[in-house]
Amino acid sequence: DVKVTQSSRYLVKRTGEKVFLECVQDMDHENMFWYRQDPGLGLRLIYFSYDVKMKEKGDIPEGYSVSREKKERFSLILESASTNQTSMYLCASHSTGVVTEAFFGQGTRLTVV
Amino acid sequence: AQKITQTQPGMFVQEKEAVTLDCTYDTSDPSYGLFWYKQPSSGEMIFLIYQGSYDQQNATEGRYSLNFQKARKSANLVISASQLGDSAMYFCAMREGTGNQFYFGTGTSLTVIP
Repeated sequence: DVKVTQSSRYLVKRTGEKVFLECVQDMDHENMFWYRQDPGLGLRLIYFSYDVKMKEKGDIPEGYSVSREKKERFSLILESASTNQTSMYLCASHSTGVVTEAFFGQGTRLTVV
Repeated sequence: AQKITQTQPGMFVQEKEAVTLDCTYDTSDPSYGLFWYKQPSSGEMIFLIYQGSYDQQNATEGRYSLNFQKARKSANLVISASQLGDSAMYFCAMREGTGNQFYFGTGTSLTVIP
């Protein structure tokens, strides 16, 4: 059974903290993504990676960074959390080439207080 | 321009009735895939159905079917015989053949009324 696993389901952090969201996939996918989901705005792409150590900015990269040291792991980093980063964060992965569906993690609901 | 447009923020349907969720897309790539996902209140994204741009037939998966009208660039999801468990957010998405990125619409919240 294919799987994308996010390290936390719920997180509460304080303003100014450095926050790490981890995502691991076991499908040997090249491509991994971090999305942010807010009501009425759908899924917005923060960053994606198509290979180890490679990263590309998405639509809303400001305030975020990412790390991909191993193929199976893609981390989202909030350098200094702010209240406007309170949101649902979704990690996804898919393979290159054949157009197949993206597989999602269970989501992390982050609250910054 | 938006790649994926879902114009229905919220929809209601009576249990056992059929419902159509609208999706239009924009691409100049001749090769692309269209996807529908369901997101229950628990948050996970569940893949429902896929339609390839070169597929001749409309995709079907159980109670889900995709009404693909290529000339109109629409890919509407039809859910037949709605069930209470169908209440969720539904997202339309597209991946272009030349790219690695998925584009998502803003979603439609479906509520099934008993």
